[in-house]
Amino acid sequence: AQKVTQAQTEISVVEKEDVTLDCVYETRDTTYYLFWYKQPPSGELVFLIRRNSFDEQNEISGRYSWNFQKSTSSFNFTITASQVVDSAVYFCALSGANSKLTFGKGITLSVRP
Amino acid sequence: DVKVTQSSRYLVKRTGEKVFLECVQDMDHENMFWYRQDPGLGLRLIYFSYDVKMKEKGDIPEGYSVSREKKERFSLILESASTNQTSMYLCASSPPTATNYGYTFGSGTRLTVV
Repeated sequence: AQKVTQAQTEISVVEKEDVTLDCVYETRDTTYYLFWYKQPPSGELVFLIRRNSFDEQNEISGRYSWNFQKSTSSFNFTITASQVVDSAVYFCALSGANSKLTFGKGITLSVRP
Repeated sequence: DVKVTQSSRYLVKRTGEKVFLECVQDMDHENMFWYRQDPGLGLRLIYFSYDVKMKEKGDIPEGYSVSREKKERFSLILESASTNQTSMYLCASSPPTATNYGYTFGSGTRLTVV
């Protein structure tokens, strides 16, 4: 069975602070995919990133960066110099051999001006 | 622009009613999924389908059924709505192997059962 744990439930930071959202996963599949989604107040899920299990390179996209470590089964997401527009619920998700996408419970990020 | 469209954004139904939530995708995707989202519980998979007329139970199928008569359409059915089915329902689709853009989600249907 697949499982995604987002231990943090709510995080509040002041604008321009860096913030890291943690994600730990469990799977028996050797090939799997990890995702991060953003859900702003409008409700629509916005795809941020997908990594496959064979690619442990960290990725940076503007102020966003992701750290994938198979040794600790973690796929953490860092926002550098946070902005008010980053306020949202962030979901980590896992897809394995059967294409089922399993989500964590989400982290509510509030960025205060 | 690729899209997953859910027929209603908000829906209010009475206890005991039969409720249909419709989802249509225009990407010719094989896989389609229904999730429900509740505060503090994240998104939980109700049912999914790999192809027309195929369906598999997700993690919380009780009280729901689905129908997929055409590739582009995946319907979620609440046979007899109950108040504990009040929730946000999200539909998604994907190709057989998730590509770089992963899964595409609809905007959601917020269902209230009174």
